[in-house]
Amino acid sequence: KAGVTQTPRYLIKTRGQQVTLSCSPISGHRSVSWYQQTPGQGLQFLFEYFSETQRNKGNFPGRFSGRQFSNSRSEMNVSTLELGDSALYLCASSLDRGYEQFFGPGTRLTVL
Amino acid sequence: QKEVEQDPGPLSVPEGAIVSLNCTYSNSAFQYFMWYRQYSRKGPELLMYTYSSGNKEDGRFTAQVDKSSKYISLFIRDSQPSDSATYLCAISQDGTGRRALTFGSGTRLQVQP
Repeated sequence: KAGVTQTPRYLIKTRGQQVTLSCSPISGHRSVSWYQQTPGQGLQFLFEYFSETQRNKGNFPGRFSGRQFSNSRSEMNVSTLELGDSALYLCASSLDRGYEQFFGPGTRLTVL
Repeated sequence: QKEVEQDPGPLSVPEGAIVSLNCTYSNSAFQYFMWYRQYSRKGPELLMYTYSSGNKEDGRFTAQVDKSSKYISLFIRDSQPSDSATYLCAISQDGTGRRALTFGSGTRLQVQP
């Protein structure tokens, strides 16, 4: 069974731009969560989507948003990029039951 | 105070040693506990998952949860150089169905050949 895939793997943007990251969960997984990983703050929860609805949201500004499609694929968007948004963005998927989350390889975003 | 505390290391051990990694947490509502391994510039890989106090074993790995002390551990037996990575404990925020994980800061492990 294929794992969680994320595209693109690397991105370089400049301040003020916006970016969209994509995640395809493991087949059969309907819950998709997004996390931000930085050296200073570690891994932090952004939001979770289940059946196209945002079910949970972390403590991030409104510039961070996401959505989920009917096939469970998810995208996250960051508008008006700031230098501090440089991070590894990780997507994780899980089954309806059980709390194990399986992570993708991440998208490394660099904001210049 | 962070909700999940984890010693960042680095922890350096010789090959074949038993490794003990630990986390403490503050919120008694946490119910589900996971350990992830993350190699440099890769996504976290799920190693162990448990939801009750006690021990769970999988090969060379044993996860231990003590809810009364809010303390979780991961033991690695017969450690190998390939175990060199950062180990992250992760805990679910609650059991309402929402899947936000709170992570420790990670412990960097180096196994010397």
